Amino acid sequence: EVHLVESGGGLVQPGGSMRLSCAASGFTFSTNAMSWVRQAPGKGLEWVSTIPSSGGSTYYADSVKGRFTMSRDNSKNTLNLQMNSLRAEDTAVYYCAKDRVGDISVIDNWGQGTLVTVSS
Amino acid sequence: EIVMTQSPATLSVSPGERATLSCRASQSVSSNLAWYQQKPGQAPRLLIYGASTRATGIPARFSGSGSGTEFTLTISSLQSEDFAVYHCQQYNNWLTFGGGTKVEIK
Repeated sequence: EVHLVESGGGLVQPGGSMRLSCAASGFTFSTNAMSWVRQAPGKGLEWVSTIPSSGGSTYYADSVKGRFTMSRDNSKNTLNLQMNSLRAEDTAVYYCAKDRVGDISVIDNWGQGTLVTVSS
Repeated sequence: EIVMTQSPATLSVSPGERATLSCRASQSVSSNLAWYQQKPGQAPRLLIYGASTRATGIPARFSGSGSGTEFTLTISSLQSEDFAVYHCQQYNNWLTFGGGTKVEIK
């Protein structure tokens, strides 16, 4: 069974930084692209970033490009999202998600999410 | 960016009735369209991908159709556990989600 567990969320001030992590198990981590998707309180889903299985070129939504960096460690089955220059509008539940194939595609498994609150 | 528009925003349906949800793309996404179900306080769950292929373990009462810019999710006979928010997502060009349709008990 696929298991995705996020960690690292919490309260951060505007302009601050935060690093989210995701521990993956139950599948061959190195064969699937991985994504981060966020959901602001009471709002819809917003794609944030995707990294292919090989860890090559990483894709970002325009709203986070230049501020967020996604990385993966296929030897440790872990995923990271480094978030800098955080804004109030980045407040959301952040979901770690597994793509169905090796590059950006449909998401077939989701973690339970971690809440990031950007506020002074 | 491809914009996904879902309608209606809220759908009131009685248990046992049929529910039909719509999703429209601002440009063609071919059949690269997925549907997710999300219950309060939970992560989304994949229902349909490739516009019409049910994900593993999804009951046959859920069906998807469409291609290009117009898509439909049909729940043939609503069960109590089906009342939730449904999101469509295109993955033809990056990823974008619709705003969601809440299916509530009538």
